[in-house]
Amino acid sequence: EVQLVESGGGSAQPGGSLRLSCAASGFTFSGYWMHWVRQVPGKGLVWVSRIHTDGSITEYADSVKGRFIISRDNAKNTLYLQMNSLRVDDTAVYYCARASLLPGIIGAWGQGALVIVSS
Amino acid sequence: QLVLTQSPSASASLGASVRLTCTLSSGHSSYAIAWHQQQPGKGPRYLMKLNNDGSHFKGDGIPGRFSGSSSGAERYLTISSLQSDDEADYYCQTWGTDVAVFGGGTKLTVL
Repeated sequence: EVQLVESGGGSAQPGGSLRLSCAASGFTFSGYWMHWVRQVPGKGLVWVSRIHTDGSITEYADSVKGRFIISRDNAKNTLYLQMNSLRVDDTAVYYCARASLLPGIIGAWGQGALVIVSS
Repeated sequence: QLVLTQSPSASASLGASVRLTCTLSSGHSSYAIAWHQQQPGKGPRYLMKLNNDGSHFKGDGIPGRFSGSSSGAERYLTISSLQSDDEADYYCQTWGTDVAVFGGGTKLTVL
């Protein structure tokens, strides 16, 4: 069974940093692109970033480009999202997601981690 | 620019069937999409990948009551024999130019 478990959520001040982790199990982690998606409570899903199977390619939504860094450790089956220069509008639940066989199509989700940015 | 359009809401009676629609913007009618379900208070769940020819590939454990079909730029999710826990938000999703795109979601109410 595919499992994606996020951790590292919490509160930060504007301008601060947080790092999210996502522990993957139940599949060959190194064989799949991985994504981060966020959702403001009560609103829709918004894509944040994705990373190639070996970490060689990363892509970001314009809203986080230059502030967030996606990375992965295939030896530890773990995905990361380093969030810097946080803004109030980064407040959301962040979901780790695994791509399907198509890199751009999401095929599995984690349960989410809440990030609150507030002064 | 790739846009996925969904109706904000839909409703159907317990035991009935409902068809939800996701419309791809002009020039993108060949794109495959995914359907995802989000029950209240929970994270999303992958339902299926749906190709432009109507072939679809469901996730593990997704009941046979869920099916997909396509016509031109429209991608459909049909849920038959509606149950109370089908009440959820349903999102379509695909990949555009360097960005994943989600529809705005359809809130399904089971009456």
